[in-house]
Amino acid sequence: DQQVKQNSPSLSVQEGRISILNCDYTNSMFDYFLWYKKYPAEGPTFLISISSIKDKNEDGRFTVFLNKSAKHLSLHIVPSQPGDSAVYFCAASDHGSSNTGKLIFGQGTTLQVKP
Amino acid sequence: DSGVTQTPKHLITATGQRVTLRCSPRSGDLSVYWYQQSLDQGLQFLIQYYNGEERAKGNILERFSAQQFPDLHSELNLSSLELGDSALYFCASSVGVTQRDTQYFGPGTRLTVL
Repeated sequence: DQQVKQNSPSLSVQEGRISILNCDYTNSMFDYFLWYKKYPAEGPTFLISISSIKDKNEDGRFTVFLNKSAKHLSLHIVPSQPGDSAVYFCAASDHGSSNTGKLIFGQGTTLQVKP
Repeated sequence: DSGVTQTPKHLITATGQRVTLRCSPRSGDLSVYWYQQSLDQGLQFLIQYYNGEERAKGNILERFSAQQFPDLHSELNLSSLELGDSALYFCASSVGVTQRDTQYFGPGTRLTVL
């Protein structure tokens, strides 16, 4: 049972435009959400996170939006740059796991930013 | 470079065999995590250790076991290997124990079972 779903395996955008990556979840106990970025032959790197008490968190060109009623979050990258081309993973953690680092990951979305 | 090291980078073995994957966390990190990424799948949480003690367990198979040693490095042992165990195995580390402590990932060990 996939509790965190990234339904778009890939996304292609033009440099300078906005990239929007989407993530849906099914577990209403999830209270902390993260995005990781992964380049080939490297491990994932943390990008941005959001707590369920917020609906938006911003860090430079990256903004994460959380819609709890829809059980949906999205990552916006503005403006997109060729160096942003990577696989993006959405991850979540539930309240019952708050004293652990257990994360549930989605399948990932491959973003390609064209010059 | 995340500061997390994993050895070996690649491992090719046969079904039924046993292998050991090794992870050295970032200096100062007390938690170590193991994740499995199979083809076209997201990362599946296997297990977390904190300062030598098991902290959380995911859907880790009984054929798999892990431990964290006093110097904080960790090993993941995979036994009676099956074709389906072929995957990328990532180790991550963090300073603390909670979901809010950023996890830093190593480059992974690619296991191929023939």
